[in-house]
Amino acid sequence: DGGITQSPKYLFRKEGQNVTLSCEQNLNHDAMYWYRQDPGQGLRLIYYSQIVNDFQKGDIAEGYSVSREKKESFPLTVTSAQKNPTAFYLCASTSGTGVRTEAFFGQGTRLTVV
Amino acid sequence: GDSVTQMEGPVTLSEEAFLTINCTYTATGYPSLFWYVQYPGEGLQLLLKATKADDKGSNKGFEATYRKETTSFHLEKGSVQVSDSAVYFCALNTGNQFYFGTGTSLTVIP
Repeated sequence: DGGITQSPKYLFRKEGQNVTLSCEQNLNHDAMYWYRQDPGQGLRLIYYSQIVNDFQKGDIAEGYSVSREKKESFPLTVTSAQKNPTAFYLCASTSGTGVRTEAFFGQGTRLTVV
Repeated sequence: GDSVTQMEGPVTLSEEAFLTINCTYTATGYPSLFWYVQYPGEGLQLLLKATKADDKGSNKGFEATYRKETTSFHLEKGSVQVSDSAVYFCALNTGNQFYFGTGTSLTVIP
């Protein structure tokens, strides 16, 4: 079945560590996105990529980094510069950038700082 | 700028009650509108969508009509079930970016 796979489902980070969240899709979608979800704040865009080897900052990119070396993969690294990383992270993809395009989501990764 | 505003929750209803979750938007041009549903600990799933004015999206008994004159896309269901308990997100696609509301938590009690 086609879809988006995020791993791991739960992740624990110590202070000062970098951690990488995986996002893989087999939908052959061009565009991929990373969102952060906090209680009562909805989804906030961290980074997005519309084509391989290109990506743009979203609204809250500070303390995060991404790469897009392959069409199907868009990993997110949460660096030690992110002061409050505990949150639920969602990866999404779309087949293009047209206005009628719907977004498909992975199951999410819950990151906790310990 | 472009944005989505949706009704704050939480909403608690008895089984078989009528549901309305309000959503209004601000956007230039002709965006598409969506409702997504999120069950605990999971990602978002598309519930329904409408791509132009006066379109009605429907799925699993849920409906929403794209009203350009009132810039609204309210979600309705005539008779909710316990299994409808989830968080519902209204979303807007301008072609450049998606914008999501803050989510409305719905709990349906037997």
